[in-house]
Amino acid sequence: ELKVEQNPLFLSMQEGKNYTIYCNYSTTSDRLYWYRQDPGKSLESLFVLLSNGAVKQEGRLMASLDTKARLSTLHITAAVHDLSATYFCAGQGAQKLVFGQGTRLTINP
Amino acid sequence: GAGVSQSPSNKVTEKGKDVELRCDPISGHTALYWYRQSLGQGLEFLIYFQGNSAPDKSGLPSDRFSAERTGGSVSTLTIQRTQQEDSAVYLCASSFGQASYNEQFFGPGTRLTVL
Repeated sequence: ELKVEQNPLFLSMQEGKNYTIYCNYSTTSDRLYWYRQDPGKSLESLFVLLSNGAVKQEGRLMASLDTKARLSTLHITAAVHDLSATYFCAGQGAQKLVFGQGTRLTINP
Repeated sequence: GAGVSQSPSNKVTEKGKDVELRCDPISGHTALYWYRQSLGQGLEFLIYFQGNSAPDKSGLPSDRFSAERTGGSVSTLTIQRTQQEDSAVYLCASSFGQASYNEQFFGPGTRLTVL
């Protein structure tokens, strides 16, 4: 059974700094997703990673996938306040998504 | 185009009452999913519908929970005899075909509060 773990669960950082959120998963996953969730809102898709070595970038966010290590990372470059949100990774377990616990990111001016 | 829609957006009910939550998937999407997001359990899968196949109900937490999908489109999640631990945000998602190959798109959710 697929299990997904994120760390850290809480992250408070200053604007302009860089940081990485880690997502480990237990068994083979067809693909790996990253979502953003703002308070009281639904899940917004950020990245879909399909294969080993995949790297995708959008603005200050970059996601990567290492299927051999069963690890995905979400890297934040030069953080800005607008990136404050909760970030979830999810693996594909058969037809369903299996989510990590989420990382609550707070970026302070 | 229109995304996944859910109704109601908020529902407050008394313990023991039945509730129905509705999901309208993206037009043309054959797969539909229900997930639940609660403080204690995080985001968890409930049920999956794909076309005319039998649904995957493996995530339903108890027999008080049921779901149906009429005409391959709209879905209703029913919770009977609600309990306080049912309080959560219920999220619906849809995809074009099997999720193994296609991304799931999420609706805004229904926030259920059981008093």
